[in-house]
Amino acid sequence: SQKIEQNSEALNIQEGKTATLTCNYTNYSPAYLQWYRQDPGRGPVFLLLIRENEKEKRKERLKVTFDTTLKQSLFHITASQPADSATYLCAPPGYSSASKIIFGSGTRLSIRP
Amino acid sequence: DVKVTQSSRYLVKRTGEKVFLECVQDMDHENMFWYRQDPGLGLRLIYFSYDVKMKEKGDIPEGYSVSREKKERFSLILESASTNQTSMYLCASNSQGRDTEAFFGQGTRLTVV
Repeated sequence: SQKIEQNSEALNIQEGKTATLTCNYTNYSPAYLQWYRQDPGRGPVFLLLIRENEKEKRKERLKVTFDTTLKQSLFHITASQPADSATYLCAPPGYSSASKIIFGSGTRLSIRP
Repeated sequence: DVKVTQSSRYLVKRTGEKVFLECVQDMDHENMFWYRQDPGLGLRLIYFSYDVKMKEKGDIPEGYSVSREKKERFSLILESASTNQTSMYLCASNSQGRDTEAFFGQGTRLTVV
């Protein structure tokens, strides 16, 4: 069955640095992938979507890449701020049904001042 | 402002009780989802509905059932609650299509004692 892995359970970086989060998938080739942010005690909130024919997508300080050869997506936050501290989830569509959305276990990002 | 509303923020139930978790969306979305979230396991899909009265099992449907009698409402039913169903439950919805973002409710933290 398809598998999604977010390599780091937790990532701590200094304010102002670039945070890079990794999402790897196996056993299928999703046509797109979404990234969400989740704050403690709240539901996830959509950030960005990248399609298989797009190498890179940007939104303000956020950048997502999608490498279909490596079966990997990278999520970058540049000039990170303490307010960026949250859990970030990657979410490709399900293998059996593109309408389903499945989630990686997430990476908890902490930005220290 | 788009909204997915879950009926309870916190719920405490006894083992063996029948439990109903309700979710309502006001965006006229075709798809609705129920996930549970546990530390270290991420969001796991319980059930998915793509239309009124239509449903598909997710990855962990055992011990749960769902009901979708109206487009805007999707209910998750724990037929006989058990302590291993203590978790955060999240409802989401999105419109039909290959790459539409999901909107989440605020979550229901269910404790089964």
